[in-house]
Amino acid sequence: AQTVTQSQPEMSVQEAETVTLSCTYDTSESDYYLFWYKQPPSRQMILVIRQEAYKQQNATENRFSVNFQKAAKSFSLKISDSQLGDAAMYFCAYRRAKTSGSRLTFGEGTQLTVNP
Amino acid sequence: GAVVSQHPSRVICKSGTSVKIECRSLDFQATTMFWYRQFPKQSLMLMATSNEGSKATYEQGVEKDKFLINHASLTLSTLTVTSAHPEDSSFYICSATDPLLRTGPYGYTFGSGTRLTVV
Repeated sequence: AQTVTQSQPEMSVQEAETVTLSCTYDTSESDYYLFWYKQPPSRQMILVIRQEAYKQQNATENRFSVNFQKAAKSFSLKISDSQLGDAAMYFCAYRRAKTSGSRLTFGEGTQLTVNP
Repeated sequence: GAVVSQHPSRVICKSGTSVKIECRSLDFQATTMFWYRQFPKQSLMLMATSNEGSKATYEQGVEKDKFLINHASLTLSTLTVTSAHPEDSSFYICSATDPLLRTGPYGYTFGSGTRLTVV
């Protein structure tokens, strides 16, 4: 079974600084997708960024980028120029590629605080 | 973009009563709906997966008779918490996949969640 681990329950960053959230996963699959979701106090799940395992290039979305290390099964999220609105719970998630409509497996989450 | 409307957002019910939570896909056909439960400051725990027109598949440890899931149409899935007790108090979230990928490649669309309090 696939597992996703986020070893940082809480992180904090100063506004305008950079922070990196860690995620590791375990799978025997070679083709899969990885995601970072943000859950603000409203508790609405918001997709931040996604990565296809077959792509070597790391995904980027504006201030958000990932460091995808397939061999190490590591998928960290870097937030640059942190803003107060980035404060939220962040979840790393995995899904298999081969089955349409397959489930997401979530990590435990990292609570990010942004200090002004 | 794709939207899943979840209602109610908050509900308080008395112990022993039943509560129904609805998730509607507004602009796409959700062939698969996932139901999650989330306790404060914890991750999302998958309760069940439902496919339109067939019985839901429940995760180990989830009581089928307590958490009734119906997915009778491609745009509506419901979760009914039967004979609710205070320990059922939690945040429930639905998530849908769109086979036409309008949610984005490999994407999922989440409802806004329902906070259930059983008193």
